[in-house]
Amino acid sequence: GAVVSQHPSRVICKSGTSVKIECRSLDFQATTMFWYRQFPKKSLMLMATSNEGSKATYEQGVEKDKFLINHASLTLSTLTVTSAHPEDSSFYICSARARGGRDQPQHFGDGTRLSIL
Amino acid sequence: AQKITQTQPGMFVQEKEAVTLDCTYDTSDQSYGLFWYKQPSSGEMIFLIYQGSYDEQNATEGRYSLNFQKARKSANLVISASQLGDSAMYFCAMREGMAGNQFYFGTGTSLTVIP
Repeated sequence: GAVVSQHPSRVICKSGTSVKIECRSLDFQATTMFWYRQFPKKSLMLMATSNEGSKATYEQGVEKDKFLINHASLTLSTLTVTSAHPEDSSFYICSARARGGRDQPQHFGDGTRLSIL
Repeated sequence: AQKITQTQPGMFVQEKEAVTLDCTYDTSDQSYGLFWYKQPSSGEMIFLIYQGSYDEQNATEGRYSLNFQKARKSANLVISASQLGDSAMYFCAMREGMAGNQFYFGTGTSLTVIP
């Protein structure tokens, strides 16, 4: 089945550090990638949607200068949390959707647990 | 209004029994899609089953079936013959919009399978 690789799986770093998370579709071309944030025992909160070659569309309340998203190719999207602070600590998970229409399911990466000290 | 409502925060089921996880949705679109995902404690999201709004038959995938009642705007997930490995969070989600980029998740139901 479709595979999405997300790296790293866990990051622990100091406040003020910028952290980059990669999301790759390994066996399909992802025209659209999604980035979510999930708090413990809560549902996924969509942060932004990115289409290859165009700027990401951010959800209301998500700071685009804080969470930089780049979807440079059909198989790679990156999320950079700039100058991370403890309140940015969370579980971040990406998903990718293949060509073939809007009803293609999203395939998720394994997520990244980000801890800012 | 909530786009996706899952009213059962936690459910228990005996191993080998069937269980139904509820999901209702709210949309004015004629064309939309409904999805169920499973999230084990490890965190990954696993796609289970999909139902399109124009599909006349209920979707089935192995032990998973989706009880789609369009008039009631419900899309309940039925898991037959529960297994211990089915213990996880289950999320109902809906796609709406022409581009399909409007995607909403419910709050999830935690399912525990009891031996």
